Formats: sequence, structure tokens, C-alpha cells
Amino acid sequence: SAVISQKPSRDICQRGTSLTIQCQVDSQVTMMFWYRQQPGQSLTLIATANQGSEATYESGFVIDKFPISRPNLTFSTLTVSNMSPEDSSIYLCSVEAGGPETQYFGPGTRLLVL
Amino acid sequence: SQKIEQNSEALNIQEGKTATLTCNYTNYSPAYLQWYRQDPGRGPVFLLLIRENEKEKRKERLKVTFDTTLKQSLFHITASQPADSATYLCALDKGSNDYKLSFGAGTTVTVRA
Repeated sequence: SAVISQKPSRDICQRGTSLTIQCQVDSQVTMMFWYRQQPGQSLTLIATANQGSEATYESGFVIDKFPISRPNLTFSTLTVSNMSPEDSSIYLCSVEAGGPETQYFGPGTRLLVL
Repeated sequence: SQKIEQNSEALNIQEGKTATLTCNYTNYSPAYLQWYRQDPGRGPVFLLLIRENEKEKRKERLKVTFDTTLKQSLFHITASQPADSATYLCALDKGSNDYKLSFGAGTTVTVRA
């Protein structure tokens, strides 16, 4: 299993600004993912955070808008850049750990953009 | 296009009854399907995984079936309790061999005492 923490837990931001979300895991993991969950909707995968190389983005998500860092096997950041109200969402990181195909999720970061 | 559909409406049931949730998918060929529980303000918690060659899986009061012909999974909570009240999400692997998941929108279950 894995214990995941995220910072901040919530934030209110002004449009045009950027916010960096941190994800910390209590053990070394290979696979780390970032998801978005908009109100009343399903989780949507943004990207896979790769250690030592650029993140792999899903269709509809680009590095300029959502730059990701993964400096080591226990930590990653997601930045939401040049925010607009449409970016208001819950952002979650997850890791694959403790058994094949099992993902563990962080508590999420609730972002409101005004 | 690819789609994952779960019960469109919330489920309200009496304590002790069985809750049955549906997950239907189109244009996926998943090697496995998972069910997660999500409580308000929290991240999803993994419950069960069932592989394409498995018909049924059980864990305590939970039972999952997987019919790849019908492209459907059923999730049952037997002898339901108020503590089972939550949103339940089904997730499919994207078939890309890299643990990426696609999620349904979830079904909210409320168990009345």
C-alpha cells in the first residue's frame, strides 16, 4: 500500500495566476499519475509523471498548461498555469503500488478560480 | 468513441438489502476492471479488481461480476450498512499496458438505517 499526501488541500486563486500542487508518497513508486475531477464528473487522467523524463500527457492536456515535475520516486508536482474559472476542479495524484494494477489516490486538492 | 456508463441515478436502499451497481462500456477491450469507493472530500479508495478471464470476484460483502461479451460489470454490496454510503466508481484499464485507467462518473449509494 502507499500513503499519499497533497499540498495544498484547497486554494482559491485569481484568473491568470498559476498554482503548483505537490504530491508526496511514503514509499518509492514507479508509476505516478495526475487526474482532474470536475464537479459531478468522473476522474480524467491528465498525465503520467515519469521520473527522470518528461511527463506523458493524455489527449486534450498539454505541458504548457499543466507542467509536471518528478524529481524522484516519492515526489511530484503539477502546476496549473494561467488559470481560468474552467480550471476549478479537484486535482488528484495517484500511484501504482502494493500489487499489480492497484492505484492509491491522494486526498485531492480543491481549486477554485475566480 | 469510448464510453463508460454507470447507473445514472443515485441508489437509495434500506439497510440489510443488496445494492447492485452497473458499469457498461463501449469501445474498450480492458484486460481488467476495478471498482473504487469515494467519500465526499476524499480520493478514491481501491476495492476490487477483476480480470477479463474472471467471471466473479468476492471480498467480504462485496461481489463483482465481469461479462466481456455484454461489456458489463455488476457490483453488489450485500447486507448493506449505512457506512456503505458513498460514491462507487468503476475504472477500466486503457489497454495500453501502462496502468492508465478510465473512470466512470460513479453511482452514489445511500443506505438508510
